[in-house]
Amino acid sequence: DIVMTQSPDSLAVSLGERATINCKSSQSVLYSSNNKNYLGWYQQKPGQPPKLLIYWASTRESGVPDRFSGSGSGSDFALSISSLQAEDVAVYYCQQYYTTPYTFGQGTKLEIK
Amino acid sequence: EVQLVESGGGVVEPGGSLRLSCAASGFTFDDYTMHWVRQAPGKGLEWVSLISWDGGSTYYADSVKGRFTISRDSSKNSLYLQMNSLRTEDTALYYCAKGGHYASGSSPSDYWGQGTLVTVSS
Repeated sequence: DIVMTQSPDSLAVSLGERATINCKSSQSVLYSSNNKNYLGWYQQKPGQPPKLLIYWASTRESGVPDRFSGSGSGSDFALSISSLQAEDVAVYYCQQYYTTPYTFGQGTKLEIK
Repeated sequence: EVQLVESGGGVVEPGGSLRLSCAASGFTFDDYTMHWVRQAPGKGLEWVSLISWDGGSTYYADSVKGRFTISRDSSKNSLYLQMNSLRTEDTALYYCAKGGHYASGSSPSDYWGQGTLVTVSS
């Protein structure tokens, strides 16, 4: 199984500042035939189901604010929030869908400093 | 509007069985892979199972393999998870999630239900 490891486990950032969450996979999730990274990012607020933010490592889902961006390739990825807003407080998960089981990272709790 | 509504959760004793259902609407159910994902209280997300658009392929997490069975009924636009030999560690909120179109290959889950709670306790 591909193990997904996020860092840090929790993060406190001031409003308006940049937040960056990292995700590392135990093997590459880059499919060479189409040059796509099978990596997604989700946001989960308390009492709500997860919401897809980013897929193919860097493509924003429709309706997601452009302050959210994804980067990375192969085994190392990052989710950045350029200017943190109060409504961004949540737990963020990365997930690989390169191969079953479609494993998630352990989650990163993002809070306001 | 895509809607996924789970049902069937409840309290069951260890060793017991439960069948979860997910009613789908707002998209062509037959064209999409579907998933079950669970979340133990206060914990992270754990992918459980997927079924291909035509029901021809199914996959499971090692933690549930041999005990859980995923299925779908296109006539009812519904997804199911039959859970047998339940253990206390299966206690979780179970989400139904929409996967990718059959023409797209592996894809993330872009829509999720609100979940149904399964509690395994004596």
